[in-house]
Amino acid sequence: AQKVTQAQTEISVVEKEDVTLDCVYETRDTTYYLFWYKQPPSGELVFLIRRNSFDEQNEISGRYSWNFQKSTSSFNFTITASQVVDSAVYFCALTLKGTGGSEKLVFGKGTKLTVNP
Amino acid sequence: DAGVTQSPTHLIKTRGQQVTLRCSPKSGHDTVSWYQQALGQGPQFIFQYYEEEERQRGNFPDRFSGHQFPNYSSELNVNALLLGDSALYLCASSLGTSFYEQYFGPGTRLTVT
Repeated sequence: AQKVTQAQTEISVVEKEDVTLDCVYETRDTTYYLFWYKQPPSGELVFLIRRNSFDEQNEISGRYSWNFQKSTSSFNFTITASQVVDSAVYFCALTLKGTGGSEKLVFGKGTKLTVNP
Repeated sequence: DAGVTQSPTHLIKTRGQQVTLRCSPKSGHDTVSWYQQALGQGPQFIFQYYEEEERQRGNFPDRFSGHQFPNYSSELNVNALLLGDSALYLCASSLGTSFYEQYFGPGTRLTVT
């Protein structure tokens, strides 16, 4: 099955701790995109990062960093020195190709991160 | 620059009824995608509209239908509502049908009783 697995349902940390959110995916496609989105309590999904399947470079953006490894089909997300404002549900997503050139976006079930002061 | 807007914010319907949800895309975008997010789950892709036609569709029954207007806004219609249709319905807009860069709206919370 082609899918996205976020094994961590909930994570709770204390402010300033580092935290890594795991994402493992399965796909038969050779070309695909991976995404991370943040969903605060307001409900709106906020785009964080996009990676295509040919770009395995890790990326750092401020306190956020992403580790993409095709060999293990993983795309993990680390928040360094977490803050209370990082509390949200984080989703990993994958583009999947269907028949006739169609495409869809498949999300994992999400990881709820709570950062306590 | 207005982002993606959705209406209404909340809606309560009874089983068997029909509902229409609305979405206005971000300025400059021409494609609208709809997602259903049940409580505690990730969003599930329903379908995508581009050039006033349904272009791509997820695994949802025909009770779910949509429409896109010439101004690129879109409606999601759900007929014969079931309790299981209770969810947050998210709309996302993009320029073109690729999921490369989507902007999401705040969603419509539908409760079916």
